[in-house]
Amino acid sequence: DIQMTQSPSSLSASVGDRVTITCRASQSISVYLNWYQQKPGKAPKLLIYAASSLQSGVPSRFSGSGSGTDFTLTISSLQPEDFATYYCQQSYSNLRTFGQGTKLDIK
Amino acid sequence: QVQMMQSGPEVREPGASVKVSCKASGYSFTDYGISWVRQAPGQGLEWMGWISAYYGNTNYALRLQGRVTMATDTSTSTAFMELRSLRSDDSAVYYCVREAQYHDYIVFLYWGQGTLVTVSS
Repeated sequence: DIQMTQSPSSLSASVGDRVTITCRASQSISVYLNWYQQKPGKAPKLLIYAASSLQSGVPSRFSGSGSGTDFTLTISSLQPEDFATYYCQQSYSNLRTFGQGTKLDIK
Repeated sequence: QVQMMQSGPEVREPGASVKVSCKASGYSFTDYGISWVRQAPGQGLEWMGWISAYYGNTNYALRLQGRVTMATDTSTSTAFMELRSLRSDDSAVYYCVREAQYHDYIVFLYWGQGTLVTVSS
């Protein structure tokens, strides 16, 4: 399996902050990397696909970058509704895998 | 609109099996694959496997191979996931999710509401 490692595991930030979450793959996955947001008790929601493409309806404060093994998700100015857990996921291999998640909470 | 409607919560004893269903609507069922993803309490997302709704071929996560079987019934647009030899650490919310393809890129787009499976003696 391709292992996906996110950092940090948790992050405290304030409304208006710029935050960056990183995701590293155990082998090159080109840009076959997706990002999801999950709120408590809800199913995950797709934010970014193909490493940097914004899913329709997702605010432009979310952006993604990277290729190969190293990727980032950036939220340019945190809003109250952004406090959630974020997961990266690779779709390079038919055996899909997720990162362990990054919990973003209010400082 | 696309909907993935899952069956209700289940309680099983260790060693038993559970079968979760996922009824799809709002699209042509055989046009897309379906993955199953689970989430133990307070833990992250774990991809369990995938099935082609058209061909019925499957890919399973290595750590679950031998215990999981995925199937579809195209006549009712329903996907099924069966997990056998249940252990306490199989207690989780189980999600079905329909894929979407954007050019070459596969994403998990439409999620079921989740089915809580509790394994306890």
